[in-house]
Amino acid sequence: GAGVSQSPSNKVTEKGKDVELRCDPISGHTALYWYRQRLGQGLEFLIYFQGNSAPDKSGLPSDRFSAERTGESVSTLTIQRTQQEDSAVYLCASSSYRVPNEKLFFGSGTQLSVL
Amino acid sequence: AQKITQTQPGMFVQEKEAVTLDCTYDTSDPSYGLFWYKQPSSGEMIFLIYQGSYDQQNATEGRYSLNFQKARKSANLVISASQLGDSAMYFCAMREGNSGYSTLTFGKGTMLLVSP
Repeated sequence: GAGVSQSPSNKVTEKGKDVELRCDPISGHTALYWYRQRLGQGLEFLIYFQGNSAPDKSGLPSDRFSAERTGESVSTLTIQRTQQEDSAVYLCASSSYRVPNEKLFFGSGTQLSVL
Repeated sequence: AQKITQTQPGMFVQEKEAVTLDCTYDTSDPSYGLFWYKQPSSGEMIFLIYQGSYDQQNATEGRYSLNFQKARKSANLVISASQLGDSAMYFCAMREGNSGYSTLTFGKGTMLLVSP
């Protein structure tokens, strides 16, 4: 597609349920990033995929969070046993990696609300 | 220690005036890149400008320029001739290393409001 696509755009769930968030990166982009943005806050890094290398999971806040990516395509961020503090916008971004100034292209985000 | 610090939670400017948004960074890597993004109320993240650590000149993109002071580790964004549409959150970010093989670390952002 032309841009980074995220689905769903909005997700309302009950505390304790699992949720899956999907990201379709720009075709040909080998790098894929997940960030979390709480209301009125900055972007908090979660996880980074680069080609077939092991992902950088250093930003995942707890073992309830996990993410997968198949090759250079779609990624899924899973949050198990959701808590109210998980409520945030989850942003996905992709980029190629060839040059240091390669900017990130962001999706529109998934607004997650945990009741 | 925070890698990116934006000390101004909010800034106000009148239309057509210039405004400077502050950003300081912390890294021991001699190679790094600095980015500015704009996030309007719609939530999208819009890339504005990039400055590499070895770039000799300050980056400029239209009405945006980056006041890069390497010794002070600051990378302030200057917006000239502010427009109402510039009202948004502005984020400074850094990538360490000399390739694209690393993530961007973002600051907490500055909310800019442009008044008529």
